[in-house]
Amino acid sequence: GAGVSQSPSNKVTEKGKDVELRCDPISGHTALYWYRQSLGQGLEFLIYFQGNSAPDKSGLPSDRFSAERTGGSVSTLTIQRTQQEDSAVYLCASSLDGTEDTEAFFGQGTRLTVV
Amino acid sequence: AQSVTQLGSHVSVSEGALVLLRCNYSSSVPPYLFWYVQYPNQGLQLLLKYTSAATLVKGINGFEAEFKKSETSFHRTKPSAHMSDAAEYFCAVSEGGNTPLVFGKGTRLSVIA
Repeated sequence: GAGVSQSPSNKVTEKGKDVELRCDPISGHTALYWYRQSLGQGLEFLIYFQGNSAPDKSGLPSDRFSAERTGGSVSTLTIQRTQQEDSAVYLCASSLDGTEDTEAFFGQGTRLTVV
Repeated sequence: AQSVTQLGSHVSVSEGALVLLRCNYSSSVPPYLFWYVQYPNQGLQLLLKYTSAATLVKGINGFEAEFKKSETSFHRTKPSAHMSDAAEYFCAVSEGGNTPLVFGKGTRLSVIA
């Protein structure tokens, strides 16, 4: 595609429900990143994929959070038993090969509101 | 582990005035440094990156950033602010080798007419 696509753009869910957030990276990009942006907190790194494997899961805040990537393309971030503190904008980015010489392109994010 | 500190969560300048956005980093290896911009309701866009070439990096719209190893800084400047510069700016660091970008908390720039 032309850019990184995230869906849905907005999601309102009830506390305790599970949600799935989707990221379609730019075609051919092997590296994919998930970040969380909360008000006043900047961008918090969650997880990084190189191909289908996740060499760095250090940022996942709890075991309620998980992510997978299939076919080296689409990624899904799943939050189980959502809590109000999970409310944030979840950003996905992809880059050609994950090295410092390649630019990371960001999607417009999914705004999650837990009520 | 690498980290980034952006001094000033909100900077306000008059149109035509100098803009200085501060960024200090911590890294155990020579870093790769980036500035991103985020306009309201939009994703992040790369503005500048330093990857061990020239220490003064020039970007679009008159912005530039200078890498100073002795000060562990990558401050971003623009001689004359324009209304269209109003946005949130994020500094980021990577240690390369497929490590993820680590972002600062961002600085919101307001430009007053």
